[in-house]
Amino acid sequence: QSALTQPASVSGSPGQSITISCTGTSSDVGGHDFVSWYQQHPGKAPKFMIYDVNKRPSGVSDRFSGSKSGNTASLTISGLQGDDEADYYCCSYAIGSTWVFGGGTKLTVL
Amino acid sequence: EVQLVQSGAEVKKPGESLRISCKGSGYGFTNYLITWVRQMPGKGLEWMGRIDPSDSSTTYSPSFQGHVTISVDKSITTAYLQWSSLEASDSGLYFCARLFGPQYGSNWIDPWGQGTLVTVSS
Repeated sequence: QSALTQPASVSGSPGQSITISCTGTSSDVGGHDFVSWYQQHPGKAPKFMIYDVNKRPSGVSDRFSGSKSGNTASLTISGLQGDDEADYYCCSYAIGSTWVFGGGTKLTVL
Repeated sequence: EVQLVQSGAEVKKPGESLRISCKGSGYGFTNYLITWVRQMPGKGLEWMGRIDPSDSSTTYSPSFQGHVTISVDKSITTAYLQWSSLEASDSGLYFCARLFGPQYGSNWIDPWGQGTLVTVSS
């Protein structure tokens, strides 16, 4: 069970949009629509941002959106703000009733 | 308020045993799974396993199978993660979290506990 592949880092200026990819296989990301995304600020617990590929829980800004094509899921953040600077992790349900996280992406707001 | 509160930081020696806890409150404890996630210093999140508090059934990541045990006492709405013989490589931050499983047509992990720091050093 290998970690999902995410870029190590992405960056953008305030107001811009960025996209973080999350690539897996047909045994996880590509096999269903149970992909979720988590934001983690330094020293904090992860925060739930997107679930079931593209659904936002109550209280999460509509600047955050998710999508999926084949074995790759994506998180897009539009209108970047300083507080968006954090680590982001994708997570997918996987074969054998297990779950797998991505390696994480560090977002820097320039 | 739905919350998971974890036990405090631990410092142990290699070979020692350890059990850390995660107490849920504010929701039907047996209606959701509990999952454990490891974060080693400066590294990413790793899914370790999950337990169904309603019947204590477990599933583990192959990476952790046989090295840790996840258990639950639903009478006190508490889940546990335990090691029988710690290694230095077990040092890290361990999170528990409520897991809504796909059998209900949706899947998410929320909320998360505050994390328990485990340090294993001779």
